[in-house]
Amino acid sequence: ETGVTQSPTHLIKTRGQQVTLRCSSQSGHNTVSWYQQALGQGPQFIFQYYREEENGRGNFPPRFSGLQFPNYSSELNVNALELDDSALYLCASSLGGQGASGELFFGEGSRLTVL
Amino acid sequence: AQSVSQHNHHVILSEAASLELGCNYSYGGTVNLFWYVQYPGQHLQLLLKYFSGDPLVKGIKGFEAEFIKSKFSFNLRKPSVQWSDTAEYFCAVNGGLGNNFNKFYFGSGTKLNVKP
Repeated sequence: ETGVTQSPTHLIKTRGQQVTLRCSSQSGHNTVSWYQQALGQGPQFIFQYYREEENGRGNFPPRFSGLQFPNYSSELNVNALELDDSALYLCASSLGGQGASGELFFGEGSRLTVL
Repeated sequence: AQSVSQHNHHVILSEAASLELGCNYSYGGTVNLFWYVQYPGQHLQLLLKYFSGDPLVKGIKGFEAEFIKSKFSFNLRKPSVQWSDTAEYFCAVNGGLGNNFNKFYFGSGTKLNVKP
């Protein structure tokens, strides 16, 4: 049990719709990262938030956006959904800045299916 | 471009057999190296990590990994696997400094199936 919770666990959307995924980070962690894991692939870095600011972004288009709140929880928003967005979306919390250990604590993920 | 390659997608072993899973990375600059494991129905969790120092690192459950800088490799080993080691194993790398510290690059994973 990591203390990282994600919601919803499963959802189905249609092309063109928008989706919001939520993540509560582990207590004491100030950094949240989001990863996309397509079937048969490893997690791919989407972006990271550190103290409410985006602090690094992977190779994902601007329709992938996020937020981090003062309590360090986070949202991932995806607009104009495409079929290829179907994947498991993983949230990982960690301690950034001084004292960072480099260890990510993952939630169980939100499985998104786009029809 | 940064990348991580895992050579075996699916490995089947009998209990007590020895395990070695290959991992090679491509990354310009200081790196930290990790192995994560995902047991069936569970979340990804850290198995072991290498930042610096002794290139042979030991993790949980009897796993170890050796960092060979000249080969850009970080292979995972276990002398004698158990049925409970059945899981998917992911090698990962991140940049060792600044904003790259928490930006991880993962391999595509190796599914290990240990037969009782």
